[in-house]
Amino acid sequence: EAGVAQSPRYKIIEKRQSVAFWCNPISGHATLYWYQQILGQGPKLLIQFQNNGVVDDSQLPKDRFSAERLKGVDSTLKIQPAKLEDSAVYLCASSQDIRNTIYFGEGSWLTVV
Amino acid sequence: EDQVTQSPEALRLQEGESSSLNCSYTVSGLRGLFWYRQDPGKGPEFLFTLYSAGEEKEKERLKATLTKKESFLHITAPKPEDSATYLCAVQAGGTYKYIFGTGTRLKVLA
Repeated sequence: EAGVAQSPRYKIIEKRQSVAFWCNPISGHATLYWYQQILGQGPKLLIQFQNNGVVDDSQLPKDRFSAERLKGVDSTLKIQPAKLEDSAVYLCASSQDIRNTIYFGEGSWLTVV
Repeated sequence: EDQVTQSPEALRLQEGESSSLNCSYTVSGLRGLFWYRQDPGKGPEFLFTLYSAGEEKEKERLKATLTKKESFLHITAPKPEDSATYLCAVQAGGTYKYIFGTGTRLKVLA
């Protein structure tokens, strides 16, 4: 069974530029998550989708971050404009349902200079 | 407030030297406790889920246990390939939200 796919794996941008990350969850998984992981810290939830509806986006900096999950399958996370403190790994994850185990992708590493 | 604390932050072991990692938690209505392994440059890899106090799970040299306040990840006779960061997370009742700890960085020396 294919795992969670993410791209790009690495991205370096200048502050105030924009960037977009793409995620394709495990087939059949209804719940999709975007986490931010800063070096030395645990993952922090940015947004959670159930099918194509938002369940939790309470920690998403909505002035610069946006995410969508069209057709309830793959998802895109966008940052515009980027700040230096956005340098982190952006992890996409999925689960069969909100109650089930979360499985992570390899992550998209962002460096803002 | 739901919280997860992992200790120690970092641990260096000689190959074959057994030890334990700790995950203490406070959560309203524990749905499950999860252990993940994270290698440098990779996403977290699922290891175990524990649901109730007294439960134990094993996989190769790893054994996870759960009490009402904490979980331990026991590593028996570790090898250098066990070097990684081990993350603990709890799933809270009601919201099913995951709360992650900051991880324990394990280094096993040959």
